[in-house]
Amino acid sequence: DGGITQSPKYLFRKEGQNVTLSCEQNLNHDAMYWYRQDPGQGLRLIYYSQIVNDFQKGDIAEGYSVSREKKESFPLTVTSAQKNPTAFYLCASSAGDRSNQPQHFGDGTRLSIL
Amino acid sequence: QQQVKQSPQSLIVQKGGISIINCAYENTAFDYFPWYQQFPGKGPALLIAIRPDVSEKKEGRFTISFNKSAKQFSLHIMDSQPGDSATYFCAARRSNYQLIWGAGTKLIIKP
Repeated sequence: DGGITQSPKYLFRKEGQNVTLSCEQNLNHDAMYWYRQDPGQGLRLIYYSQIVNDFQKGDIAEGYSVSREKKESFPLTVTSAQKNPTAFYLCASSAGDRSNQPQHFGDGTRLSIL
Repeated sequence: QQQVKQSPQSLIVQKGGISIINCAYENTAFDYFPWYQQFPGKGPALLIAIRPDVSEKKEGRFTISFNKSAKQFSLHIMDSQPGDSATYFCAARRSNYQLIWGAGTKLIIKP
């Protein structure tokens, strides 16, 4: 089945540690996105990528980094500089950034601090 | 203004009733307004979407009403069912094609 796979489902981070969240899609989509979801708030955009080897900061990029070396993969690293990383992280993809194609989401990774 | 304001925060509706969720925006440059449905532990999924040149769009039991002059849009769920219990998000697309999201509405349908 085509879709977006996020792993792991749950992740724990120690103080001063970087952690990487995986996002893989087999939908052949050009655009990919990372969002952060906190209770009582809407989704906030961290980073997005329209094509391979190119990505842009979203509204809350500080303390995060990404790479887009392959079309199907868009990993997110939560660095030690992100002081409040506890959240539900969602990866999405769409057929094209400049279109009415919907964003398709994975089932998220829940990150907690040990 | 880049915000999308969504209300209510939570909503309880009897089975068979009509669920109504409202959103308001300020930026007249928004050009696409989707609604997403999210179940616990899952990612959001597109439910229905509308462009601002249309006042209403219906898909099955789900209807979007759009009031361009008031800068408001709403989701109506007719004949609400327990399986509709979920969190609903409105969103608006800005000029750089990114989505701005409302804070979400937790809908509970009582049997």
